[in-house]
Amino acid sequence: EVQLVESGGGLVQPGGSLRLSCAASGFTFSSYEMNWVRQAPGKGLEWVSYISSSGSTIYYADSVKGRFTISRDNAKNSLYLQMNSLRAEDTAVYYCARVYDFWSAPDVWGKGTTVTVSS
Amino acid sequence: EIVLTQSPDFQSVTPKEKVTITCRASQSIGSSLHWYQQKPDQSPKLLIKYASQSISGVPSRFSGSGSGTDFTLTINSLEAEDAATYYCHQSSSPWTFGQGTKVEIK
Repeated sequence: EVQLVESGGGLVQPGGSLRLSCAASGFTFSSYEMNWVRQAPGKGLEWVSYISSSGSTIYYADSVKGRFTISRDNAKNSLYLQMNSLRAEDTAVYYCARVYDFWSAPDVWGKGTTVTVSS
Repeated sequence: EIVLTQSPDFQSVTPKEKVTITCRASQSIGSSLHWYQQKPDQSPKLLIKYASQSISGVPSRFSGSGSGTDFTLTINSLEAEDAATYYCHQSSSPWTFGQGTKVEIK
């Protein structure tokens, strides 16, 4: 079964850090490009970051640029999001999503992991 | 940034009724427009890709049309299980999503 499972969410104080992980199974992870998309409570979807299959090309939304770092380990079938200098507005469910390329639609999404930034 | 504006924001519909949701882009995006269904406490599910291409496993009552700046998602003969929020998404430039359209069953 094709599956993405996020982990690493939790409660963190403003200015703190968290590292999210996304474990892929059931497909050849190294052949796909990946994204992080988030959804604040009761709000819509917001794209966060993209990484190519090799990791050589990376994009970020302006709202997280300079604070978040996306990476992947194809040997471990895993995607990561290092989040630093967290703000209250980063509070959201974070989803990882699989794509064939940056311009395609994500066809597989994880169930999400919740990040809450609060003192 | 390309802004996607969906209408309506909310729609209350009786079963078997036809539902039409529109998505307007702030600039031309060709056919790089996709539609998702999201039910409470679930992740988004891809319904239509590239404006009108169907997705395996998605019921045929879901269809999409449009190009450039104006796009439409149509649900023919709505079923109770279609109660959800629907989002459009453009992948022409840094991704953006529409604000969502909540469909309620009367």
